[in-house]
Amino acid sequence: DTGVSQDPRHKITKRGQNVTFRCDPISEHNRLYWYRQTLGQGPEFLTYFQNEAQLEKSRLLSDRFSAERPKGSFSTLEIQRTEQGDSAMYLCASSLLAVNTGELFFGEGSRLTVL
Amino acid sequence: QKEVEQNSGPLSVPEGAIASLNCTYSDRVSQSFFWYRQYSGKSPELIMSIYSNGDKEDGRFTAQLNKASQYVSLLIRDSQPSDSATYLCAVNSGSARQLTFGSGTQLTVLP
Repeated sequence: DTGVSQDPRHKITKRGQNVTFRCDPISEHNRLYWYRQTLGQGPEFLTYFQNEAQLEKSRLLSDRFSAERPKGSFSTLEIQRTEQGDSAMYLCASSLLAVNTGELFFGEGSRLTVL
Repeated sequence: QKEVEQNSGPLSVPEGAIASLNCTYSDRVSQSFFWYRQYSGKSPELIMSIYSNGDKEDGRFTAQLNKASQYVSLLIRDSQPSDSATYLCAVNSGSARQLTFGSGTQLTVLP
């Protein structure tokens, strides 16, 4: 499989619980992004990694959100103390360093429902 | 004011017609412009990129950019039912590494 893979595809949790999503980018891609998308809206940027370094983080991202890419390969996005407003599709995308930053390959997403 | 705005949908066109999707952006320093297609329940897929003023054609798709008017559009010729999807306009400013997306325009091509 040469695409971006995300796990789990669906997660239902109760308010206040922690959740973690995993993203495996296309193997040679240096750049990795997390976006969040709610119904009827376009994806909203959360954070960006170049190799293992987290170089950008959205100002809108609460302290409850943390992301890692420890070895420059897969990445995890953790949401602590989930709130109902966190319900969304969490999209991971990757790209090569050599191409324009807008040319992204998206995974199928992890849908979070917070009850 | 939203940074990237798209014409409100949904948009319906008959099969074989030209579908015209429009997008305006607020940041004058924006340098790169993209159209992503998103089928229902699927993730966005890049279909066109454009970096300089004018037209760029790829098969049935034509992207048009006018930086002076801060306007970018996507034309789909000979629309097919398989083109039915949400089309997302995305903009990248030179120094920013992230894309800013519009809210999308839902296109339905009627057989």
